[in-house]
Amino acid sequence: QKEVEQDPGPLSVPEGAIVSLNCTYSNSAFQYFMWYRQYSRKGPELLMYTYSSGNKEDGRFTAQVDKSSKYISLFIRDSQPSDSATYLCAMSALRNFNKFYFGSGTKLNVKP
Amino acid sequence: DGGITQSPKYLFRKEGQNVTLSCEQNLNHDAMYWYRQDPGQGLRLIYYSQIVNDFQKGDIAEGYSVSREKKESFPLTVTSAQKNPTAFYLCASSIERREIQHFGDGTRLSIL
Repeated sequence: QKEVEQDPGPLSVPEGAIVSLNCTYSNSAFQYFMWYRQYSRKGPELLMYTYSSGNKEDGRFTAQVDKSSKYISLFIRDSQPSDSATYLCAMSALRNFNKFYFGSGTKLNVKP
Repeated sequence: DGGITQSPKYLFRKEGQNVTLSCEQNLNHDAMYWYRQDPGQGLRLIYYSQIVNDFQKGDIAEGYSVSREKKESFPLTVTSAQKNPTAFYLCASSIERREIQHFGDGTRLSIL
């Protein structure tokens, strides 16, 4: 079983829709959770970073962590064509900050 | 403007040849990483370094080598022992023991 599972998509939505992207994980030691956006032929860029459980909001983006279910989500409100990209989740444990576990990425397409 | 520079953008390797991918950062970050990205797979850690003159193997280090002689530089050599080198290689950096904040824009390596 992979440490982090992520639906590869593609996910296609109309402009203005609310997008929900999700990851599940198996290691209960994970405490740090990250979301990255990756455009084609580019490196990932950090969107959101959360520690432990709860919600974090930044503009149109909300990250949610449910440690009891081992489930994290990224919500994008009022989605734009410029949000079309691959979204990667990543996580790490308290004991070993330098070891990050990445999901395989969900490809999102926002249609104008 | 601070960031990570990877070069070249595209690289071709012949049979039996070693090739070196460059990674330079001007962020004054302690930790640097090399990841390999294959279609449909998450980022897989090749090597990481927390300080100058020190580095550790990641999950898929076989066929690769690194050096960290300067804080700013973390070159990756793909040796002839790596039988399946075709992939997108990403260099990253972070303030030690924190989330990965910066990725380079990658080097795409192919076999001739």
